[in-house]
Amino acid sequence: GAGVSQSPRYKVTKRGQDVALRCDPISGHVSLYWYRQALGQGPEFLTYFNYEAQQDKSGLPNDRFSAERPEGSISTLTIQRTEQRDSAMYRCASSPEEGTEAFFGQGTRLTVV
Amino acid sequence: GQNIDQPTEMTATEGAIVQINCTYQTSGFNGLFWYQQHAGEAPTFLSYNVLDGLEEKGRFSSFLSRSKGYSYLLLKELQMKDSASYLCAAFSGGYNKLIFGAGTRLAVHP
Repeated sequence: GAGVSQSPRYKVTKRGQDVALRCDPISGHVSLYWYRQALGQGPEFLTYFNYEAQQDKSGLPNDRFSAERPEGSISTLTIQRTEQRDSAMYRCASSPEEGTEAFFGQGTRLTVV
Repeated sequence: GQNIDQPTEMTATEGAIVQINCTYQTSGFNGLFWYQQHAGEAPTFLSYNVLDGLEEKGRFSSFLSRSKGYSYLLLKELQMKDSASYLCAAFSGGYNKLIFGAGTRLAVHP
């Protein structure tokens, strides 16, 4: 596609439910990042993929969060047993190769009620 | 450890010049990025410095001093549309982890 596409754009879920957030990077982009961004703050690193390999997951807050990119393209960030504190903007970014600028998607606004 | 610091807010006048500073402490430094983010939108790439010195790109310039762990973004001939958050970002520990500062909210006044 022309840009990084994230779906859904908005997600409201009840506390305790699982959610899956999808990221479709720019075609051919090797690197993929997941971030969480609170209002008025910079993006907070969650995890990074190079092709299908998850190279760094040190930013995932706890074991309820997981991510995968099985074929080196589309990625899914899954949050199990959601809590209200998980409410945030979740952003995905991709870059054509390691060490180059990252292009961001429009994000998924998650609200846990 | 890893840390990126930048001022929280700045104000400037239309037509003026403003400099937004960023200091960083990261392991395995591999370059520094500046991004612009308008309210409610995604961050967009502005510049990338990997070597010391000044990189100029139209009205925007970015400077890096690796020895001082310091960068700045210089915006000239400010326009109202430049009102946005400006994010400083650096790789930490190789290319795996691109970390961002909290951002500097710039307000441009007539």
